[in-house]
Amino acid sequence: AQSVSQHNHHVILSEAASLELGCNYSYGGTVNLFWYVQYPGQHLQLLLKYFSGDPLVKGIKGFEAEFIKSKFSFNLRKPSVHWSDAAEYFCAVGATDRGSTLGRLYFGRGTQLTVWP
Amino acid sequence: GAGVSQSPRYKVTKRGQDVALRCDPISGHVSLYWYRQALGQGPEFLTYFNYEAQQDKSGLPNDRFSAERPEGSISTLTIQRTEQRDSAMYRCASSLRQNTEAFFGQGTRLTVV
Repeated sequence: AQSVSQHNHHVILSEAASLELGCNYSYGGTVNLFWYVQYPGQHLQLLLKYFSGDPLVKGIKGFEAEFIKSKFSFNLRKPSVHWSDAAEYFCAVGATDRGSTLGRLYFGRGTQLTVWP
Repeated sequence: GAGVSQSPRYKVTKRGQDVALRCDPISGHVSLYWYRQALGQGPEFLTYFNYEAQQDKSGLPNDRFSAERPEGSISTLTIQRTEQRDSAMYRCASSLRQNTEAFFGQGTRLTVV
């Protein structure tokens, strides 16, 4: 069965510090990769996604993620965090068949980011 | 509608009662997904539909759980004879097609007492 690991459950940073959240998955086939964010009191929102092409993907609010196929990883990065980035971040993986995501997504358990001013 | 709408937002029910959770997807979205999220965990897949057809229900934990989307729009997730372990956030998402971005609703927080 597929699994998604987010190793850091809670990350605490000072404002302007750099951020990297790890995500590893186990699936031998072609995958689509996603990072979702949930701000306090809000619903899950898509931050960025990788389907194919350039393994370095840019998302909203200055976030980026790099797909490293050999490491089964899709780590999320931001050079300088802002207090408004405090939220819970979820990595998700979708298996594909002939390029189409097979419906279900597998989510990691999430990383809570706290940002100190 | 403008976004995915779920109702109720909060539901407290007594053990043994049946509950029905509703999801109204974004208009025109073909695919609709149900996930369950326990405290401190990520969303866990339950089932999904393309139009009115249930494509995959392998994530439904047991036969007390069922879902339908009879007209290819609004969906209902029903839990019969609720148990305390069913307490969780139930999330619905929809996407324009199966392999496009999924938009999530606010979720329904179910508490079984």
